[in-house]
Amino acid sequence: RKEVEQDPGPFNVPEGATVAFNCTYSNSASQSFFWYRQDCRKEPKLLMSVYSSGNEDGRFTAQLNRASQYISLLIRDSKLSDSATYLCSAHGYGNKLVFGAGTILRVKS
Amino acid sequence: DAGVIQSPRHEVTEMGQEVTLRCKPISGHDYLFWYRQTMMRGLELLIYFNNNVPIDDSGMPEDRFSAKMPNASFSTLKIQPSEPRDSAVYFCASRPGTLNTGELFFGEGSRLTVL
Repeated sequence: RKEVEQDPGPFNVPEGATVAFNCTYSNSASQSFFWYRQDCRKEPKLLMSVYSSGNEDGRFTAQLNRASQYISLLIRDSKLSDSATYLCSAHGYGNKLVFGAGTILRVKS
Repeated sequence: DAGVIQSPRHEVTEMGQEVTLRCKPISGHDYLFWYRQTMMRGLELLIYFNNNVPIDDSGMPEDRFSAKMPNASFSTLKIQPSEPRDSAVYFCASRPGTLNTGELFFGEGSRLTVL
């Protein structure tokens, strides 16, 4: 079983839609969690950290459920520019940041 | 400020040849990571260094792969001999050794094709 698992999608949504991604992690000792965004043929870049209390940044909301070992990302009012691959990651043993395979989002007009 | 710099950006080589990928981390960053990304396996951690010392190389696929960090501003990932299944995008990333922010700064990647 992979340490971090995501639904690969793709999620095809119209502009303005709300879309949610979930991600599960297997290492209960993981301390911190993150969502990265990766555009086609580019490097991953940090989108937002995921805190136990949940956090929001504009149209993006990230939440953590330690009991069920999953994290989520909610995108409201989707824009064409949100089209990308979203990678969830968990900070496990040592300083290893482990990534899921990514969820593809396509926002269409 | 310059980000993480990787070279070459693209490499096409034939099976059996030696491949060397290079990385210059962001100045002052204590941690350096090498990842490999493929469609099938996603983004896999190969090895990471702290203050130039390899800490965890459990992700290195086999003896054909080796990585070094001779100083704080340079690291190499070498594949010898290369095989077609090594074709992937190899990312180098760095981060400072301060709080456990988890934010990695990635280079633009080296796209390797082994024929």
